[in-house]
Amino acid sequence: DQQVKQNSPSLSVQEGRISILNCDYTNSMFDYFLWYKKYPAEGPTFLISISSIKDKNEDGRFTVFLNKSAKHLSLHIVPSQPGDSAVYFCAAALTGANNLFFGTGTRLTVIP
Amino acid sequence: GAGVSQSPSNKVTEKGKDVELRCDPISGHTALYWYRQRLGQGLEFLIYFQGNSAPDKSGLPSDRFSAERTGESVSTLTIQRTQQEDSAVYLCASSHGQRNTGELFFGEGSRLTVL
Repeated sequence: DQQVKQNSPSLSVQEGRISILNCDYTNSMFDYFLWYKKYPAEGPTFLISISSIKDKNEDGRFTVFLNKSAKHLSLHIVPSQPGDSAVYFCAAALTGANNLFFGTGTRLTVIP
Repeated sequence: GAGVSQSPSNKVTEKGKDVELRCDPISGHTALYWYRQRLGQGLEFLIYFQGNSAPDKSGLPSDRFSAERTGESVSTLTIQRTQQEDSAVYLCASSHGQRNTGELFFGEGSRLTVL
């Protein structure tokens, strides 16, 4: 049972434009959400996170938005750069639980 | 190096053979995780170690899978009598502290192919 879903397997965006990656979850008890970025032949690296008590967290070109009522979060990248091309994983956590629940990933391609 | 190190990076084995995958976490990280990613799937939690506490084995898919960790150092994931559905990238991650704050540091993974 996939508790974290990324319904778009891929996304292509022109350099300089906004990239919006979406993620939905089913467990309303999740209280912490993260985005990881993965380049080929490398492990995922942490990008940005958000606590469930917030609805927005911004870090430079990256902003994560959380809509708890819709059980939806999104990652905005502005402006998109070719180096942002990677697979982005959404993940969710429960306080006290040991594991993260990951989505299946969205492959972002930023076209120069 | 300073990151999480995994070996082998690639392993091809025949169905029915045993395999052992190794993970060296970041020095000082008390928590260690094993995940796997099968083709087209998300990362699937397998097992979690925290210091000298009993590991959380709730994600292990069958009794053919086992893992060990000595103290806060190296961990090995063993798959006995491998099956084709075990083919995946096995990722190890480590983190600080006793709480799951979410920021995990991943290795590059061990790609296992079972023929």
